[in-house]
This record gives sequence, C-alpha cells and structure tokens, in this order.
Amino acid sequence: DAGVTQSPTHLIKTRGQHVTLRCSPISGHKSVSWYQQVLGQGPQFIFQYYEKEERGRGNFPDRFSARQFPNYSSELNVNALLLGDSALYLCASSWRTGTLEAFFGQGTRLTVV
Amino acid sequence: GQQLNQSPQSMFIQEGEDVSMNCTSSSIFNTWLWYKQDPGEGPVLLIALYKAGELTSNGRLTAQFGITRKDSFLNISASIPSDVGIYFCAGMNYGGSQGNLIFGKGTKLSVKP
Repeated sequence: DAGVTQSPTHLIKTRGQHVTLRCSPISGHKSVSWYQQVLGQGPQFIFQYYEKEERGRGNFPDRFSARQFPNYSSELNVNALLLGDSALYLCASSWRTGTLEAFFGQGTRLTVV
Repeated sequence: GQQLNQSPQSMFIQEGEDVSMNCTSSSIFNTWLWYKQDPGEGPVLLIALYKAGELTSNGRLTAQFGITRKDSFLNISASIPSDVGIYFCAGMNYGGSQGNLIFGKGTKLSVKP
C-alpha cells in the first residue's frame, strides 16, 4: 500500500517567489495536516484539513495557505518567500481529524536563496 | 510556537546499552506519541499512548504516559546501530475538531558499534 506521498522532494526558490507543495494521503484517509520542520527543531503545525475544510491553523503568517481537493490530496502554498521559510515541509495523513495517529510523508526540502 | 521539553538533546552510547529519554509539557495531553526520524525522511510512528499511566511496548521500545498527563518517557533496550536517528515526542488532544501534534525538539541518538 502506498504511504503518504509528497512532491517535489527538493526545491530551490528565490526570495519573493511563490511555491506550491503537494501531498497525496494514504488511501482512505480524509485528513491532511502540514508541518514545517526547521533544521534542528521538531515539526511545527501549519494547517489541518478534513473533508476539504480547514480545521486548524498554526501560528504562521497569511503568506501560507492550503487547500484540500475532492480526492483528499492537498496543496500548501507559500507566497513572497523569505529566507526563513527554508525548511522541510511535512504532510501527515490520518483517517479523520482528531484521530490518534498521523502518518507522515518523506517531506519536501525547500531552500530559499 | 509551542513545543515540548525533550531531554536529553543528544546521546552517544555503545551498542547493547539501554537508552532512556523523556518529554515534559506545561499542558495536559490526552495522547502521547513517539516518532523516529531518519535523515531526509519524515517521522515514523513508534508508539502511541492513550491513557494516563499506560505502559506500552513495541519490541525493544517501551514508553509510558505519565500520571499527570504532562510527561512521557521512552526506553530502548539493548540498542543496535539501526536505532540511530532523532526521536521526537509529540502530544495531542484527540477527539476535538483539531488534531494537531505538538512536538518536542528531539533527542539525537548515536550508537557506537
């Protein structure tokens, strides 16, 4: 069975640009969450979506946005990139919001130069 | 953002030794989870704890949910080289409309053969 898949795996962008990251959850999972992991830190919660609706938002600026599609895949968008946005962006899927266990993808490594 | 206090930050041990790490929080959680992350990969769930005082094992790994619901520990017995990686604790309050995880900063484990 396919796990959580994220694309691309690596990305280099210039300050001020826009980026879109993609995530496909485990088949049957309806909830997708996004996390940012800066080097040397634990993941920080950005968004959670369930049944195409936003169910939670972390302490991130409005430059960060996301959406979930009818097939439960999700996109994370970041506008006006800053150097500090360089991080590993992780997607986690679970059967529903508030479930006990989340399964993570391998992440997208974003480098902003 | 909010993070849990995880200790130690790093450990360098001999193969065959036992390992103990812990996690504390100023907030109560009704779920504690332990993840392991290898370089360039997303976190992989090791153990999930659902009830205060619960002690759960997964092979050589044992984790406990503290009675106060503000702490948890993870033990690894008879460490082997493949135990190398970063171990994260995460707290969550499941059952609500949100299910975001709050992560510790991680314990980096190095094992000398």
